[in-house]
Amino acid sequence: QQQVKQSPQSLIVQKGGISIINCAYENTAFDYFPWYQQFPGKGPALLIAIRPDVSEKKEGRFTISFNKSAKQFSLHIMDSQPGDSATYFCAARRGSSNTGKLIFGQGTTLQVKP
Amino acid sequence: EAGVTQSPTHLIKTRGQQATLRCSPISGHTSVYWYQQALGLGLQFLLWYDEGEERNRGNFPPRFSGRQFPNYSSELNVNALELEDSALYLCASSLGRYSNQPQHFGDGTRLSIL
Repeated sequence: QQQVKQSPQSLIVQKGGISIINCAYENTAFDYFPWYQQFPGKGPALLIAIRPDVSEKKEGRFTISFNKSAKQFSLHIMDSQPGDSATYFCAARRGSSNTGKLIFGQGTTLQVKP
Repeated sequence: EAGVTQSPTHLIKTRGQQATLRCSPISGHTSVYWYQQALGLGLQFLLWYDEGEERNRGNFPPRFSGRQFPNYSSELNVNALELEDSALYLCASSLGRYSNQPQHFGDGTRLSIL
């Protein structure tokens, strides 16, 4: 119930293409879903986040789509660039009885080919 | 605005020794979180401190401990080091302990156990 399952494990996309990373969860108590981007040798950087009352959120080339009934959410990177090559993590957190902890997916390594 | 800073960047220890890792949160942030990022295991929640108190801990043995100082900086102590403790230890901070506050990460301390 505490897991967040992320797929695919790795992804290769051509420059200008769309990168899509999917996550699924089971615990309906989760109410905050952030995405993080991590470059080698750096810590995860918050990219974009969504709450269950919104079905889609867009920030620049990054869009989160959220399907509450299916308990799934996904990150879309439009017009993917070589500079987007990084590891992406989805995460979830419980709102009520705040435990503080983020539960992370296993990560997706994205390579954008020039 | 300075981000979350962690020291040291790298730490090499031998089995059985003790390690101390330090974290300074973003100015104004009162909550500090510790995560372990071990190869193949993703990011695992370790500890959460807020206003000097331990608020939650993850599924780690008691030899992982820490504290938060009056200036909100934090220390993570790992006693009786084992080979499996080799990992990147990440600190994050947030503005208060409420669940709607995003967590911002530092670049971590790479702990290597020989």
